[in-house]
Amino acid sequence: NAGVTQTPKFQVLKTGQSMTLQCAQDMNHEYMSWYRQDPGMGLRLIHYSVGAGITDQGEVPNGYNVSRSTTEDFPLRLLSAAPSQTSVYFCASSQSGGSNQPQHFGDGTRLSIL
Amino acid sequence: AQSVTQLDSQVPVFEEAPVELRCNYSSSVSVYLFWYVQYPNQGLQLLLKYLSGSTLVKGINGFEAEFNKSQTSFHLRKPSVHISDTAEYFCAVSDRGGGFKTIFGAGTRLFVKA
Repeated sequence: NAGVTQTPKFQVLKTGQSMTLQCAQDMNHEYMSWYRQDPGMGLRLIHYSVGAGITDQGEVPNGYNVSRSTTEDFPLRLLSAAPSQTSVYFCASSQSGGSNQPQHFGDGTRLSIL
Repeated sequence: AQSVTQLDSQVPVFEEAPVELRCNYSSSVSVYLFWYVQYPNQGLQLLLKYLSGSTLVKGINGFEAEFNKSQTSFHLRKPSVHISDTAEYFCAVSDRGGGFKTIFGAGTRLFVKA
């Protein structure tokens, strides 16, 4: 099993450009989420989904969109990239989304906005 | 609102020495607690979790943690560290009452020296 797969691993964008970070999981997990990791701040939740067709905002949703058309995929869209969005982005999934479920993480996408 | 405080941003230690990484949380409700480890250029991996029962929890790679409800702490310990334990460690908390959000601490970077 591949687990949680994120693409691309690295990306450099110019301010104002848009792009989509891809996330796919092959564990048939219902719950998926996107985090950003910044030095000294741990992981902050951007958006999450409890199943296909259902998404909700996390702690830092501004500037990002998500959709969940299938159980497997949960892409994150940057609408108009800003330097403040330079970060490492992690996608995670868990079996049911219950708060007692540990999360499985991808290896991250390192994004730089110039 | 829940919060997690990891009291040390960096912990240098010599190989084969014991180590304790400290984590305190605040919450108005009962919680589940997790420790994750992140090796360079990788995503987070579950180290151990406390859901209920014995307050001493054993995890992978010889790590253990003790839940102390009165002190709202969940410190991570290992009696003898190896060079390969060099990584960043994250404490996380989620609400027992439901919901889908996990709050992460800022992380502690463990550096094991030869």
